[in-house]
Amino acid sequence: GAVVSQHPSWVICKSGTSVKIECRSLDFQATTMFWYRQFPKQSLMLMATSNEGSKATYEQGVEKDKFLINHASLTLSTLTVTSAHPEDSSFYICSPTSRNTGELFFGEGSRLTVL
Amino acid sequence: GENVEQHPSTLSVQEGDSAVIKCTYSDSASNYFPWYKQELGKRPQLIIDIRSNVGEKKDQRIAVTLNKTAKHFSLHITETQPEDSAVYFCAASKNNNDMRFGAGTRLTVKP
Repeated sequence: GAVVSQHPSWVICKSGTSVKIECRSLDFQATTMFWYRQFPKQSLMLMATSNEGSKATYEQGVEKDKFLINHASLTLSTLTVTSAHPEDSSFYICSPTSRNTGELFFGEGSRLTVL
Repeated sequence: GENVEQHPSTLSVQEGDSAVIKCTYSDSASNYFPWYKQELGKRPQLIIDIRSNVGEKKDQRIAVTLNKTAKHFSLHITETQPEDSAVYFCAASKNNNDMRFGAGTRLTVKP
């Protein structure tokens, strides 16, 4: 099956710092990348959608200046949480869409804890 | 936009019994309905999906039904086993875009 690598799998940082999460599709090209956030015992909430080479489209209520998304290539997308605060602590999951098949996959997820 | 509702939020069954989880969606243009199983702290795993041109799909102990007119779809797990215990999410999307998830159902299968 398709391989999606997301890292770091967990990160702890101090309030006010920035954290970058990488998502790579290792054996397929991803035209579209979805970024989800999941708070404990809750569902996955779509944060933003990005297409390779284009600016990301953010969902209502998600600050684009706080959650910077870069989708520079068909195999790599990054999410940077800037000036992180404790309320940003969450499980972040990337979800690339295969260029060839349109199939969706999920990264392993990154658990962010902001102290 | 699409709105997906899922019931029940928790479900406890005895091993060997069946489990049914139901979802409704709001956007009649949605045409792809996957179901995911998520174990604690891990990524969702696709267990079965159905497209709008099909009414029912089965894969061993798992089946999904879709009623486009009523805009609802259901997951059926038969002969449940303890390893089926997890959180299950339904989702709906148009051509794999803007996938929206239900709130999740925590299934517990008691041995």
